[in-house]
Amino acid sequence: TQLLEQSPQFLSIQEGENLTVYCNSSSVFSSLQWYRQEPGEGPVLLVTVVTGGEVKKLKRLTFQFGDARKDSSLHITAAQTGDTGLYLCAGHSTSYGKLTFGQGTILTVHP
Amino acid sequence: SQTIHQWPATLVQPVGSPLSLECTVEGTSNPNLYWYRQAAGRGLQLLFYSVGIGQISSEVPQNLSASRPQDRQFILSSKKLLLSDSGFYLCAWSVSQYEQYFGPGTRLTVT
Repeated sequence: TQLLEQSPQFLSIQEGENLTVYCNSSSVFSSLQWYRQEPGEGPVLLVTVVTGGEVKKLKRLTFQFGDARKDSSLHITAAQTGDTGLYLCAGHSTSYGKLTFGQGTILTVHP
Repeated sequence: SQTIHQWPATLVQPVGSPLSLECTVEGTSNPNLYWYRQAAGRGLQLLFYSVGIGQISSEVPQNLSASRPQDRQFILSSKKLLLSDSGFYLCAWSVSQYEQYFGPGTRLTVT
């Protein structure tokens, strides 16, 4: 069984602060995705990383895939209230063939 | 561009009643289709996936079933709902190994 552990589970910060969400596993993944979900809506794909050590930037969001392809992080710079939501990581491995989702990080950014 | 639809958006059903949730995808051919359940706004549990018409794989034993009568149509059903079937049901599609795209979801409450 493949597991993805996300931390922290909950994050409450003030607007303007920086934050990092982690996604860790003992399994190797061929790719890893990050999604953002708002209440009552479906998850929206933010980014896919496929190469060990890869770093992708999406405006104030920086995504990194670990060298060994077992972990990933999402860093948000100068958080805004619009960043509030549930952040999910999901890993794909060739052997399993489907996505494994982490339990999510609920981010609340206060004005 | 591709779009995914789910209906109904919300549903309240009594215990023991039948269920039918529908998902359709537009703008792509022969997608992989998935049904997930999300409890309490956290991680996603894969229920069923399909790689083609009439081909259904079940991930967990449960009170639900799925069917794919057409290439871009995926249906989630139950003959008799249980209280534990309450949750947020998400349909997703993919054509690559890596990325899945989610519908808006159906909130099911079993009373």
